[in-house]
Amino acid sequence: QQQVKQSPQSLIVQKGGISIINCAYENTAFDYFPWYQQFPGKGPALLIAIRPDVSEKKEGRFTISFNKSAKQFSLHIMDSQPGDSATYFCAASAHQGAQKLVFGQGTRLTINP
Amino acid sequence: DTGVSQDPRHKITKRGQNVTFRCDPISEHNRLYWYRQTLGQGPEFLTYFQNEAQLEKSRLLSDRFSAERPKGSFSTLEIQRTEQGDSAMYLCASSNSGDEQYFGPGTRLTVT
Repeated sequence: QQQVKQSPQSLIVQKGGISIINCAYENTAFDYFPWYQQFPGKGPALLIAIRPDVSEKKEGRFTISFNKSAKQFSLHIMDSQPGDSATYFCAASAHQGAQKLVFGQGTRLTINP
Repeated sequence: DTGVSQDPRHKITKRGQNVTFRCDPISEHNRLYWYRQTLGQGPEFLTYFQNEAQLEKSRLLSDRFSAERPKGSFSTLEIQRTEQGDSAMYLCASSNSGDEQYFGPGTRLTVT
């Protein structure tokens, strides 16, 4: 059962544009929502994360928007650069037990120069 | 702080052989996780250690898989009698609080 659904599967954005990736979750026990960036052959790197007590978090060019009632959250990359080309994963975990991460299927982002 | 390290980075083995992977977490991180990632998919949770205790295992972890974390430091993941379906990237992550999990570079396993 897929608990975190991510879209789109792939995304092409022009340099300088805004990249938007969306995720939806089902488990209302989830209370931590990170985004990871992964380059080919590398492990996922933690990019930014949010808790449901805030609706938005911004770090540099990266912003997470969170809608608790809709059980959705999204990653916005402003002024997208070719170096941002990577696969992005949303994830979620509950603050109990192992706090294991449940990942979305990933979005392959390509920024055209 | 050198981050999470994993060894080997790549492993090619024949079906039926046993393999063992090692993970060295960020020092002083008491939580250690193993995940498996197949091509085009997100990582999937396999097992979790808090210090030396293995506290949770996924049903993905068949009886051919075993993980240890002696003395609460490095961890090993062993796969016995490997099958072609075991081919994947095996990722290790560590955490201090459980929320922020930091991943290693992974071990790419290919079973021929």
